[in-house]
Amino acid sequence: DAGVTQTPRHEVAEKGQTIILKCEPVSGHNDLFWYRQTKIQGLELLSYFRSKSLMEDGGAFKDRFKAEMLNSSFSTLKIQPTEPKDSAVYLCASSLDWGAETLYFGSGTRLTVL
Amino acid sequence: GDKVKQSPSALSLQEGTNSALRCNFSIAATTVQWFLQNPRGSLINLFYLVPGTKENGRLKSTFNSKESYSTLHIRDAQLEDSGTYFCAAPTSGGNYKPTFGKGTSLVVHP
Repeated sequence: DAGVTQTPRHEVAEKGQTIILKCEPVSGHNDLFWYRQTKIQGLELLSYFRSKSLMEDGGAFKDRFKAEMLNSSFSTLKIQPTEPKDSAVYLCASSLDWGAETLYFGSGTRLTVL
Repeated sequence: GDKVKQSPSALSLQEGTNSALRCNFSIAATTVQWFLQNPRGSLINLFYLVPGTKENGRLKSTFNSKESYSTLHIRDAQLEDSGTYFCAAPTSGGNYKPTFGKGTSLVVHP
């Protein structure tokens, strides 16, 4: 089985651009999470989907960050407009049933905003 | 305060020695998961635990839900064990999202 797949691995954007990050969860998994990781803040939850329904849309990130899950095998995270402070690694994770089952991470997308 | 606290925040080990990392919960954790983030940035699953103990090679982890902590023991540390170790537990409050500690940065040196 394929693990969690994230694309692209690296993204460079100019301030003010719109970028879209992609994630394919493990096939059959019901839970999908988007995280942002920085050295200072650590792992911060951006969004959480259960069976394609948005369960949590991380408060501080609502204004410029939008995650969607149009089908059970694909999710996107849109950042619009980008700011230099958005430079970070964005991680996607999935689980069959988090809390009762293991969480699996993708390799992440490293975003640099100039 | 932090719901999941990891200690120590950083650790330096000589190859071949043993050590333990700790994760303390201020939430009523029912399960815990340990990860290793390698120097390339990938988060690798180490253990998923209900209360009890699991062992895999040189690693052993214990989860005590009554006393709200989990430990990760590393025996005979090797250079490839270097990286950042994270623990995570479900946070209640309706959505059961994963809450992570801030990690323990481990360097194993020859």
